Amino acid sequence: DSGVTQTPKHLITATGQRVTLRCSPRSGDLSVYWYQQSLDQGLQFLIQYYNGEERAKGNILERFSAQQFPDLHSELNLSSLELGDSALYFCASSGLLSQETQYFGPGTRLLVL
Amino acid sequence: AQKITQTQPGMFVQEKEAVTLDCTYDTSDQSYGLFWYKQPSSGEMIFLIYQGSYDEQNATEGRYSLNFQKARKSANLVISASQLGDSAMYFCAMIIMDSNYQLIWGAGTKLIIKP
Repeated sequence: DSGVTQTPKHLITATGQRVTLRCSPRSGDLSVYWYQQSLDQGLQFLIQYYNGEERAKGNILERFSAQQFPDLHSELNLSSLELGDSALYFCASSGLLSQETQYFGPGTRLLVL
Repeated sequence: AQKITQTQPGMFVQEKEAVTLDCTYDTSDQSYGLFWYKQPSSGEMIFLIYQGSYDEQNATEGRYSLNFQKARKSANLVISASQLGDSAMYFCAMIIMDSNYQLIWGAGTKLIIKP
């Protein structure tokens, strides 16, 4: 158990809908990262937050947005969903002392029908 | 451009044998880190081992060791005395320290341990 929690574990929705994925980092970790793992594109970095502030953006679509709250949990919002958004979405967190090592949550498996 | 290459899409290894998973990387930055993660069929991503670019000794964590050859830009994972539970996807990843700490991933190697 990495200490990072993600909810829900599985999500099935229809095209055009909007969903919210939630992540709670390990206790004390200030950085939260979101990654998408799909069959055709592999693992891709989406976005990073550090102590509530957006720090870096990767290959995140405009239909996707994220935020990190004062209690450090983070949410990834996916809207106008398309079939191609079906993927495993990971949240990871890292701490001050070992900022490099990212510990991953169990992931949210999203299926868009 | 930063890139991670894993040239072995899949490997079969006999139980109790040692196995080496290949990883080469490309970066012009001097300060970087290399990781190996394990992803079992259940889907979670498990951190195995980390090597910093300035670390002179190869990293070891139990049965895992990282064979770091900086001049060759390789960071192979060695698993000693393989077990059935080692069957999984293994990903090599790189982080650039002066950047935003995002992980750059290889395509992965599917390792199957045969009894």
